[in-house]
Amino acid sequence: AQSVTQLGSHVSVSEGALVLLRCNYSSSVPPYLFWYVQYPNQGLQLLLKYTSAATLVKGINGFEAEFKKSETSFHLTKPSAHMSDAAEYFCAVSDSGGSNYKLTFGKGTLLTVNP
Amino acid sequence: DAGVIQSPRHEVTEMGQEVTLRCKPISGHNSLFWYRQTMMRGLELLIYFNNNVPIDDSGMPEDRFSAKMPNASFSTLKIQPSEPRDSAVYFCASSLAGTGHGYTFGSGTRLTVV
Repeated sequence: AQSVTQLGSHVSVSEGALVLLRCNYSSSVPPYLFWYVQYPNQGLQLLLKYTSAATLVKGINGFEAEFKKSETSFHLTKPSAHMSDAAEYFCAVSDSGGSNYKLTFGKGTLLTVNP
Repeated sequence: DAGVIQSPRHEVTEMGQEVTLRCKPISGHNSLFWYRQTMMRGLELLIYFNNNVPIDDSGMPEDRFSAKMPNASFSTLKIQPSEPRDSAVYFCASSLAGTGHGYTFGSGTRLTVV
């Protein structure tokens, strides 16, 4: 069975500071990993994904994440936070391959950016 | 592509009434997912379909909830009778299974049962 743990339900940073949102996963097979962002009153939007190619994945809006198999982690980072980054972020894992698959989502981390 | 289209965007109904939420997935996607999001419980998977066939409905709260996918371009989630505790945002998402593309989510339906 797959699972995702997001450490910290709420992270607060200052504008211009480093953003680090933590995600650890559990999977019995090589995983696909995803980060989604949800802005207020909107649906979830794909930020970036890891599908067994490069371990450092770059996404939209300057975010990136690094897949570390030894640590079973897929933390999301951004060097400099912007006010517009304030949103809820979800990490998700799925089995690689297969014709039927579903994503298992973490509980989300709410990012607040202070001026 | 217009993305995943959900209707209505907002629904207010009285307790006991039937509610039907609609979803049009992205053309060519063969998997469809219904989620419910609340402050208390977060994002919950209710049911998902692959090639129009329900694969896993273990997340459906109770018999008051039902979902159908009569064809590849349309799905409904019905609640009958509705209760105040069903108030939530309901999301539909679609994907091309097995490709690692992830899901594309709709904008959601905010349901309020009074």
